[in-house]
Amino acid sequence: DAKTTQPPSMDCAEGRAANLPCNHSTISGNEYVYWYRQIHSQGPQYIIHGLKNNETNEMASLIITEDRKSSTLILPHATLRDTAVYYCIVRDYNTDKLIFGTGTRLQVFP
Amino acid sequence: DADVTQTPRNRITKTGKRIMLECSQTKGHDRMYWYRQDPGLGLRLIYYSFDVKDINKGEISDGYSVSRQAQAKFSLSLESAIPNQTALYFCATSDLVGAAGELFFGEGSRLTVL
Repeated sequence: DAKTTQPPSMDCAEGRAANLPCNHSTISGNEYVYWYRQIHSQGPQYIIHGLKNNETNEMASLIITEDRKSSTLILPHATLRDTAVYYCIVRDYNTDKLIFGTGTRLQVFP
Repeated sequence: DADVTQTPRNRITKTGKRIMLECSQTKGHDRMYWYRQDPGLGLRLIYYSFDVKDINKGEISDGYSVSRQAQAKFSLSLESAIPNQTALYFCATSDLVGAAGELFFGEGSRLTVL
C-alpha cells in the first residue's frame, strides 16, 4: 500500500484559501487519492477523490500532479468550521483498503 | 437515524473481560470495516468484510475478531481486553467495488480498558 506524507499542522485565515499538500511518491497506477477530514473525534467525513485529473466538488478542489506523486486539497474559502484534521489517503483499486496516515491539523483563525 | 450506528458509544471495562462492539448500517452496502484510532494518530484498519462470507485482516488484527452476521451487521470482539486496546473504534461502510466509492463512518465507540 502506498504511503502518504502530510505536514502535521497548518494555519489559515478565515475567508482565505487553504491549500493542504500531500506526497504519495510510491502511488501505483490503480490507486486513487482520497481526502477525508475529522472534526474533533467524530467519524471521518469524505471530501473528494481523484485518480489522474483534477477534481472539484461543492466542498473542495483536488489538484493531482501529472506524475501523480503529490496532490493538493484546496478549500477555496476556509471557515472556522473547516478546522479539522485532514487525511490524504491512497486507495488500492483491487483490495479496496483505505489506509489512513496521521493527517494535517488545519486551524482556521478569525 | 444515523446510516451507520455503533453500540455502545462508550464503554469502560476491566482487563481480561470480553467485549463486543456492534455496528449496523441502513445504507445497503456490502463492504464494512473496523478501524481503531489512538490519541493524536490516524485510523488503523483492524478487519474488513466485502460480503457476509468474506472476512479479511487489516493492519492490526491481533487481539481482535469479527463476525459478519448479516449484510447490515458487523461486530468486533475483544476476547480478553487489555489496556493497550483503549482507543476510539470506528465502523465504516462502502458500496462500490474497488473504484470510487466513499466510506461512511459511524460516530465511534470509545473503549477504555482498566
